[in-house]
Amino acid sequence: GAGVSQSPSNKVTEKGKDVELRCDPISGHTALYWYRQSLGQGLEFLIYFQGNSAPDKSGLPSDRFSAERTGGSVSTLTIQRTQQEDSAVYLCASGVDEQYFGPGTRLTVT
Amino acid sequence: GENVEQHPSTLSVQEGDSAVIKCTYSDSASNYFPWYKQELGKRPQLIIDIRSNVGEKKDQRIAVTLNKTAKHFSLHITETQPEDSAVYFCAATDSWGKLQFGAGTQVVVTP
Repeated sequence: GAGVSQSPSNKVTEKGKDVELRCDPISGHTALYWYRQSLGQGLEFLIYFQGNSAPDKSGLPSDRFSAERTGGSVSTLTIQRTQQEDSAVYLCASGVDEQYFGPGTRLTVT
Repeated sequence: GENVEQHPSTLSVQEGDSAVIKCTYSDSASNYFPWYKQELGKRPQLIIDIRSNVGEKKDQRIAVTLNKTAKHFSLHITETQPEDSAVYFCAATDSWGKLQFGAGTQVVVTP
């Protein structure tokens, strides 16, 4: 079946612009995570959605970052007023117990 | 909340030898412990997992052991091959079901 998909695969934006990253989880998966991974680094937790519960936003690095999950399915991560330090690969994962990662969006802020 | 520590951060092994990566966790309510492999430029892939009612699980050349009393779990790779070179991440669920990852181990298998 279809796996987790993310779009776009690559995004280049100018400093100060807003960007939206999309995640399409596997159908029926109640949990959805966003992570950020800089080159050669680990998985930095950003936000966690679980069913209808309030999301765990404890990993969002600043108020420029926000995310929503509509209808318990698709999720959008929004970064406002992008900075160069936001450049990274943004990974989405979905699952019930086992978590499956999407291919990621590589964000470059120039 | 859950805190997962992973050691070593880098591991270099000769082809054919075994590799062992160890993780500790803090939340005694944790009950699910997956391991992910991330090759360069790729997404993390789930390679094996273990649940708290099992002490050991094996899948071909990889095995995971769990010691709930000591709150640690380990990944064992036997007869390592060059294609085992990757970054490996351990993880544990906290009492809310949220996955917490370790910092990762860079494994390099030299011919």
